[in-house]
Amino acid sequence: GAGVSQSPSNKVTEKGKDVELRCDPISGHTALYWYRQSLGQGLEFLIYFQGNSAPDKSGLPSDRFSAERTGGSVSTLTIQRTQQEDSAVYLCASSLGVGTAYGYTFGSGTRLTVV
Amino acid sequence: DQQVKQNSPSLSVQEGRISILNCDYTNSMFDYFLWYKKYPAEGPTFLISISSIKDKNEDGRFTVFLNKSAKHLSLHIVPSQPGDSAVYFCAASPTTSGTYKYIFGTGTRLKVLA
Repeated sequence: GAGVSQSPSNKVTEKGKDVELRCDPISGHTALYWYRQSLGQGLEFLIYFQGNSAPDKSGLPSDRFSAERTGGSVSTLTIQRTQQEDSAVYLCASSLGVGTAYGYTFGSGTRLTVV
Repeated sequence: DQQVKQNSPSLSVQEGRISILNCDYTNSMFDYFLWYKKYPAEGPTFLISISSIKDKNEDGRFTVFLNKSAKHLSLHIVPSQPGDSAVYFCAASPTTSGTYKYIFGTGTRLKVLA
């Protein structure tokens, strides 16, 4: 597609339920990133994929969070047993490569509200 | 611990005047910096970048200044236009990490008044 596509754009879920957030990167972009922005906070790095592997998962807040990427394309971020503190905008970005010559393109995000 | 700080959550500027957005960082390993602009319900979009070998980078109405000794960067928008009203994030990365991970500030909401 022309841009990074994220779905759903909004998700309201009950505390304790699992959610899946999807990211469809720009075709041909080998690198994919997940960030989140909680209220009043900056964008917080979660995980980075190069192809299908995740060399850096250091930003995942807890073991309730996991992410995978298949076919070097679509990525899914899964949050199990959601908590209210998981409420945030989850942003996905992709880039053609890694390094200062390659900029991120962000999607519009998924706004997750845990009630 | 916030490694990248944008201490002004909001800024209002009259159309045609200069907007100056500030950003401070604490990690001396950061050597590549970017500014992103974000409109409501959209993802951030890249605006301008600067590496630590420079102290200034200009692109049209946008200029980024870097003061390494003060660990401070600023974004100047001249002249400001109503369409510039958005949230501006600065971000930093140490290129030794491969520059895949950026540390973002909390953003400054700019409002340009017509």
